[in-house]
Amino acid sequence: EDKVVQSPLSLVVHEGDTVTLNCSYEVTNFRSLLWYKQEKKAPTFLFMLTSSGIEKKSGRLSSILDKKELFSILNITATQTGDSAIYLCAVIAGANSKLTFGKGITLSVRP
Amino acid sequence: IAGITQAPTSQILAAGRRMTLRCTQDMRHNAMYWYRQDLGLGLRLIHYSNTAGTTGKGEVPDGYSVSRANTDDFPLTLASAVPSQTSVYFCASRDQDRGEEAFFGQGTRLTVV
Repeated sequence: EDKVVQSPLSLVVHEGDTVTLNCSYEVTNFRSLLWYKQEKKAPTFLFMLTSSGIEKKSGRLSSILDKKELFSILNITATQTGDSAIYLCAVIAGANSKLTFGKGITLSVRP
Repeated sequence: IAGITQAPTSQILAAGRRMTLRCTQDMRHNAMYWYRQDLGLGLRLIHYSNTAGTTGKGEVPDGYSVSRANTDDFPLTLASAVPSQTSVYFCASRDQDRGEEAFFGQGTRLTVV
């Protein structure tokens, strides 16, 4: 059974801090890893990672994948209160390309 | 507007009743998914479909059924609702061939009483 484990499950930081969110996985026939941000309703897409060692970057957010050690990190620098959300990691794997999510990380950024 | 639409947005349902949650996408995506989201448990896959005419079971399929008669529609049916099926349900779709990310509907909040 495919597994995606995120850590920590929750954290509280202050504005301006830098945070690192972790995602590890155990799957058969890995295809890609995705990060989503979820605020009030539907998850919104952040990054898709397919190759090891290539950083994806968008503003203050960046992410990288390590296919040898089977994990990914999502970094957020200079956090803002608007970064408060649930961050979801998902893996596409297997012949059926199933999309399996971790439990999510709840990030709270205090003013 | 292109995208993925779910209906209803919310529903209160008596236990034992049958309910179908609707999901329609107009992006011609071949893969579609149904998830339920519960506090502390994240998004758990109920059923999925890789192409019209085929479906597969996810992590928590019991009590749910799906069909994929065409590319656009992927309804989720609760044959006889129970209170443990109270949850927020998300439908998603993606273009598997192009290796794109999954797009989500806005969710259906279902309460079974």
